[in-house]
Amino acid sequence: QKEVEQDPGPLSVPEGAIVSLNCTYSNSAFQYFMWYRQYSRKGPELLMYTYSSGNKEDGRFTAQVDKSSKYISLFIRDSQPSDSATYLCAMSRSNTGKLIFGQGTTLQVKP
Amino acid sequence: EAGVAQSPRYKIIEKRQSVAFWCNPISGHATLYWYQQILGQGPKLLIQFQNNGVVDDSQLPKDRFSAERLKGVDSTLKIQPAKLEDSAVYLCASSHSGVGKYEQFFGPGTRLTVL
Repeated sequence: QKEVEQDPGPLSVPEGAIVSLNCTYSNSAFQYFMWYRQYSRKGPELLMYTYSSGNKEDGRFTAQVDKSSKYISLFIRDSQPSDSATYLCAMSRSNTGKLIFGQGTTLQVKP
Repeated sequence: EAGVAQSPRYKIIEKRQSVAFWCNPISGHATLYWYQQILGQGPKLLIQFQNNGVVDDSQLPKDRFSAERLKGVDSTLKIQPAKLEDSAVYLCASSHSGVGKYEQFFGPGTRLTVL
């Protein structure tokens, strides 16, 4: 069993839709949870960062962490074609330790 | 600030050949990471440096992979000899040691194809 599970998709939505991306994990030692966005042939870039449980909002993006269920989510409101990318969840035991990534979900937002 | 630089961007080699990748992290970043990203998968950490010392190399196939970070700045990752399953994108990332040190900044990667 992988430490972090993520549905690879692909996920295709119309412009303006609300997108929900999710990851589950098995290791309760994870404390730091991140979402990275990766455009084709580019390196990942940090989108959202959350420590422990709770919600965090940044513009159109909301990250949720439920440690009791070992489940994290990323919501994208009013999705745009420019949001089309692969979204990777990542987790770490410490804020300087190695990141364990999910497989990534490919999202396509159609105009 | 300038981002993480990597070269070459693409490399095609035959199996059993050797190859080397170069990474220049963001200026002042003490921590440097090398990840392997196989097509359709998330990045997997190969090695983490703090300045020029190795912090974690538990997932580095040491029989064929080696990495060094001279003077705590640039780093090279070498594969010798390459196998077909080494075909992947090799990503370099760096982070600093101050506030926000959790954030890893990634370079564009080197796409390796082993034939």
